[in-house]
Amino acid sequence: DGGITQSPKYLFRKEGQNVTLSCEQNLNHDAMYWYRQDPGQGLRLIYYSQIVNDFQKGDIAEGYSVSREKKESFPLTVTSAQKNPTAFYLCASSITGWAMNVYNEQFFGPGTRLTVL
Amino acid sequence: SQKIEQNSEALNIQEGKTATLTCNYTNYSPAYLQWYRQDPGRGPVFLLLIRENEKEKRKERLKVTFDTTLKQSLFHITASQPADSATYLCALPYGTASKLTFGTGTRLQVTL
Repeated sequence: DGGITQSPKYLFRKEGQNVTLSCEQNLNHDAMYWYRQDPGQGLRLIYYSQIVNDFQKGDIAEGYSVSREKKESFPLTVTSAQKNPTAFYLCASSITGWAMNVYNEQFFGPGTRLTVL
Repeated sequence: SQKIEQNSEALNIQEGKTATLTCNYTNYSPAYLQWYRQDPGRGPVFLLLIRENEKEKRKERLKVTFDTTLKQSLFHITASQPADSATYLCALPYGTASKLTFGTGTRLQVTL
């Protein structure tokens, strides 16, 4: 059953803690993305990876870190430097990370809701 | 800077009517535009993609138009059903990578 999975579904973090959100895909997609969604706001890009062993900052990367050691996995760490981490986090993938003449749709996981206590 | 605008107010319509949602953009010349559906607490699901040289695209009860002069896309759901109730997001590409920027979405509520 092909798709993209995220875990956990709900995550609670104490202030000052780092937490890691998991994202796995078995679609054989090259590109993966992390977004943050807050109420009343659109999806904002945190990090993206066009190919394994490479990733780039998105629009709101401060306080977050990622790795892309395997094609199917793109974990996101929310560090204590992220001042307002409570949000809904979405991971997505697309066939290719290169936009020229390729019109990719993105496939999204079910999301992780992170709450800071 | 690039900006996408979708009506932030919810759209309430009666079952069987046609719902029309609007996506306006500025400071863009996108090669294509995408529409997604998002249910509460879930990830968005891709619905349709329309290219800049296409005026209209249809898929079952869905129709999308793309006016690059007006910088606007309209998303229509004909014969709407309560199951169509969701938030609908438009998205445009930016940069050289296959990144998308998303609108805030419009919530559609279809009532009996």
